[in-house]
Parts: sequence; structure tokens; C-alpha cells
Amino acid sequence: EAGVVQSPRYKIIEKKQPVAFWCNPISGHNTLYWYLQNLGQGPELLIRYENEEAVDDSQLPKDRFSAERLKGVDSTLKIQPAELGDSAVYLCASSLGPSGRSEQFFGPGTRLTVL
Amino acid sequence: GENVEQHPSTLSVQEGDSAVIKCTYSDSASNYFPWYKQELGKRPQLIIDIRSNVGEKKDQRIAVTLNKTAKHFSLHITETQPEDSAVYFCAAPRGQGYALNFGKGTSLLVTP
Repeated sequence: EAGVVQSPRYKIIEKKQPVAFWCNPISGHNTLYWYLQNLGQGPELLIRYENEEAVDDSQLPKDRFSAERLKGVDSTLKIQPAELGDSAVYLCASSLGPSGRSEQFFGPGTRLTVL
Repeated sequence: GENVEQHPSTLSVQEGDSAVIKCTYSDSASNYFPWYKQELGKRPQLIIDIRSNVGEKKDQRIAVTLNKTAKHFSLHITETQPEDSAVYFCAAPRGQGYALNFGKGTSLLVTP
């Protein structure tokens, strides 16, 4: 069984440019998460989807960040415009059900560098 | 995460010794407590988890204990090996069915 797939693995952009990340969760996993991980820190939730519905996006900086999960499968996370402080690893994770009942599986992440 | 505190931030032990990492949480409704291991440049992977209806769970050399009254849980690694060297994260949901809040991580180094 394939794990969570993310692309690209690495992205270098200049500030003020847009950037997008893509995630394909494990087949059958209804819950999808986007996390941000700064160097030396734990993952921090940006948004959580239950199927195609964003049920927890309170920590998503909505002035520049947006996300979608059309058809309740793949998801994209976009930043426009990117700022220097957005440099981090963006992790996607999925679980069969809500996090309190089932294991979260993480993707390899996208390492973003904003110059 | 704001409601999960993890200590210590770094831990160095000699091969064969035990390592203990502790976490506290604030939301009394939390009922699921996983531990993730993240090797350098790799994704976090679940190594063990515990639910609030038990006080201890063991899987070979690793164990987790939970004290719901005190709102803390701990990871115990016995007979440590160099391949145990990694960053370990504890986590707790902000409420039943909510996403996880992660601790800041413990960098464990096991020296031969």
C-alpha cells in the first residue's frame, strides 16, 4: 500500500511569489491534515479536512494561505504571496478517521525555502 | 502545540541505558496520546500510542505510561541502541476527535 504522497519535495522561491503543494492521502483515508514544521519544532496544524469539508482551519493564515480538497481525495495548499518566514517543511498527513481514534500517517513533506 | 509540553528538549544516553521523555497536556478531554519518531530529513512515524482507558502500554523495548489525574504521559525506551537516535514527539488532541497538538520534540542521542 502506498503511503501519503507529496510533491514537490523541495521548492525554492523568491518572496512575494506564489507556491503550491500537493498531497495524495492513503486510499480510503477520510481525514487529511496539513501541518507546518519549523526547524527544531513539532508539527503545527494548519488545516484539517473531513472528506472535502475543512473542519478545523483556525490556525491557517487566511490572508495568504488557502487550501482545497476537491472530491475529498487529493489536496492542495497554496501560499500567495510567500514571505521569508514561510520557509519551513509542509507536512501532509491522513487518517482513516478522526485523530482521536486512528493513527495519522505522514507524507515526506515539502521543504520550502523563500529567498 | 500550546497545550502539550515536552521535556527534556535534548537527551544523551549511552547504548544500553534507558531513556525517559515526559509530556504534560492541559485538555482533560484528551483521550489519545501517540508518540512519533522522526529521523533526520524523514517523516514522523508512529512508534506507540495509548488511549485514556489504560495506564500503560508496552511494545518490546518501548513503553508509554499515562497518568490522567496529573495529565502527563511518558515514553520509556529500554536497552537503547544507536538507531534509536532521533527526535521524538508526543502529541495529544485538543479534544475528542480533534487534530493533534505536538510537543516541541526531544532530540535523543544514543552513543555507542
